Amino acid sequence: DAGVIQSPRHEVTEMGQEVTLRCKLISGHNSLFWYRQTMMRGLELLIYFNNNVPIDDSGMPEDRFSAKMPNASFSTLKIQPSEPRDSAVYFCASREGNSYGYTFGSGTRLTVV
Amino acid sequence: GQQLNQSPQSMFIQEGEDVSMNCTSSSIFNTWLWYKQDPGEGPVLLIALYKAGELTSNGRLTAQFGITRKDSFLNISASIPSDVGIYFCAGLSNAGNNRKLIWGLGTSLAVNP
Repeated sequence: DAGVIQSPRHEVTEMGQEVTLRCKLISGHNSLFWYRQTMMRGLELLIYFNNNVPIDDSGMPEDRFSAKMPNASFSTLKIQPSEPRDSAVYFCASREGNSYGYTFGSGTRLTVV
Repeated sequence: GQQLNQSPQSMFIQEGEDVSMNCTSSSIFNTWLWYKQDPGEGPVLLIALYKAGELTSNGRLTAQFGITRKDSFLNISASIPSDVGIYFCAGLSNAGNNRKLIWGLGTSLAVNP
């Protein structure tokens, strides 16, 4: 298994532009988590899905952020319009059933200038 | 949001030394997890603890679930250069309907060969 695959690995964009981050889950995993990591705040849960349904989006910073899971193996996180304070590493993680071990992707390092 | 108190924030040790780090919380957790994050990668699960008082080992790593259920520690024996990285604790509470992982801010470990 290739693990959780995120793309792109790095993204540099100008303020105001739309950014789309992508995540492919591990086959058979039914939960998907989007995290944001910064030095100051550590790992913050943005949103998580269970069986393609958004369960908790209370961590999504504001309306500029949206996430979708169009099928059981793929998810996107979109920021529109992007702002410099959105600069961070964004991780997605998947989980099988109710297991406690999340499998993380390698992350997307986003820089908004 | 709620976070765990993880200490120390960083450590710089000599190869061969033992390492100890811990997490504390004002809340009770039913599960404690320890993750390691290598530079440029996502966190990887090291050890999961499910019962108060439980002591679990994974090679040179040993972790314990505190009796009060409000703390956990991780020990690394005979450190080697590849132990370098950021170690995160995470706790899971069954309180309410929202079973989310709560993360510490990490302990950054540097090992001098």
